[in-house]
Amino acid sequence: GAVVSQHPSRVICKSGTSVKIECRSLDFQATTMFWYRQFPKQSLMLMATSNEGSKATYEQGVEKDKFLINHASLTLSTLTVTSAHPEDSSFYICSAPAPGPYNEQFFGPGTRLTVL
Amino acid sequence: QKEVEQDPGPLSVPEGAIVSLNCTYSNSAFQYFMWYRQYSRKGPELLMYTYSSGNKEDGRFTAQVNKSSKYISLFIRDSQPSDSATYLCAMSAWDTGNQFYFGTGTSLTVIP
Repeated sequence: GAVVSQHPSRVICKSGTSVKIECRSLDFQATTMFWYRQFPKQSLMLMATSNEGSKATYEQGVEKDKFLINHASLTLSTLTVTSAHPEDSSFYICSAPAPGPYNEQFFGPGTRLTVL
Repeated sequence: QKEVEQDPGPLSVPEGAIVSLNCTYSNSAFQYFMWYRQYSRKGPELLMYTYSSGNKEDGRFTAQVNKSSKYISLFIRDSQPSDSATYLCAMSAWDTGNQFYFGTGTSLTVIP
C-alpha cells in the first residue's frame, strides 16, 4: 500500500513554544491530507483538512490560529502547534488518500507531542 | 447520534478463538467501509477495505457489510496474541469527499 511518513515521531517541548509536524506522502501525490488528534484510548478526532494550493478547512472547535496548517506541495503538509500548552499534549496523526477509485486512506505513524 | 457507533470493549479472548467486531452507522450514503488496526502508540494500519455490500476475505480476516441493516463486521479466525490491538472501523461516502467517519475503536486482547 501507499506510504505516509511523519516527522518527528516524538517531541517534548516547553509550554509556550511552537512545534512543527511534517506529513509526507512518499510514493504518491496527495492534494488533500487530513490531520487528526487522538487522546489515550479514544478514537481519532479530525482536526482539519489540508488542501494543496488553498487554505485548510478546520473542524468546528479547532482553533485556526493555534493549529497552523500549510500544504506546501503535493507530497508535504505541515501542522504547527503554536504556543503549545500541556493540554495540547496528544498523539497527532495525518492521513492521505491514495490515488485510485477506491477512496483508500493511509495513515502516518503518528507524532506524540508532550508539552511540559 | 454519532455517525458511527462501535463498542469500545475491551474485548478479551483466548488464543484460537473467533473474534467478531461490529460497527453500526446511520448514514445510508456510506459506501466505502474500512477496518484499521492500531497498535499502541502507532498510526492506524489499513486492514480491510470493502466497497458497497458483501463479504471480503483475506487470510484469517473477513469483512462483512450489511447495508440494509447498516452494520459492518470484522471476523478474525484463529486469533493470535499478535492480533491484540485496537480495531477501528471507518466509512465514507462519495459526497463526503475523502472525509472518513471513525468508530471509537474496540480494544482487543488475545490471551496466549
